[in-house]
Amino acid sequence: GIQVEQSPPDLILQEGANSTLRCNFSDSVNNLQWFHQNPWGQLINLFYIPSGTKQNGRLSATTVATERYSLLYISSSQTTDSGVYFCAVRNFGNEKLTFGTGTRLTIIP
Amino acid sequence: DGGITQSPKYLFRKEGQNVTLSCEQNLNHDAMYWYRQDPGQGLRLIYYSQIVNDFQKGDIAEGYSVSREKKESFPLTVTSAQKNPTAFYLCASSAPRTGVNEKLFFGSGTQLSVL
Repeated sequence: GIQVEQSPPDLILQEGANSTLRCNFSDSVNNLQWFHQNPWGQLINLFYIPSGTKQNGRLSATTVATERYSLLYISSSQTTDSGVYFCAVRNFGNEKLTFGTGTRLTIIP
Repeated sequence: DGGITQSPKYLFRKEGQNVTLSCEQNLNHDAMYWYRQDPGQGLRLIYYSQIVNDFQKGDIAEGYSVSREKKESFPLTVTSAQKNPTAFYLCASSAPRTGVNEKLFFGSGTQLSVL
């Protein structure tokens, strides 16, 4: 099956800093999503982005499908940005999304 | 409010017991999913259903069963055959494949523990 690797596994930043999270995948995809899991376990869908660039407030994402990676940018980090960020992908001919193991982000006040 | 409701939030299972986790959605989504999350791990797919009265096994279906009698409901039963059931269980749903509206939405999860 398709392999999904996220980096870095852990990231600790001061409040106000910017960060870049990366998702690499091993096959062509027709679905790619980014999620944030808060400390209480709730998963929030941030972006549906199989290709191109999208922005939502302080967050933006870019997927370069031909090079098989996606980046999630967080600017001016806040403590509420803490949690685990997951990338999930689906390759052609597959009905299922495959999740990466996540990046744990900790924002220090 | 539209959303996905999972219950209970916490559940304890005794040895040899079957337990059922509830998942209800009012988003009018056709597809529903069950995922298992172990501490520090990603999500693994247990079962999914793309239409009423039909469902398919995911990557770790052994020891679990589901039903999809109504569009809004997709309960998961953890059977006694599942020897290591302690985990966080997440239900999700998505709209039909339109190329635009395929975002996955999650419930708040059920933490299952073994007594």
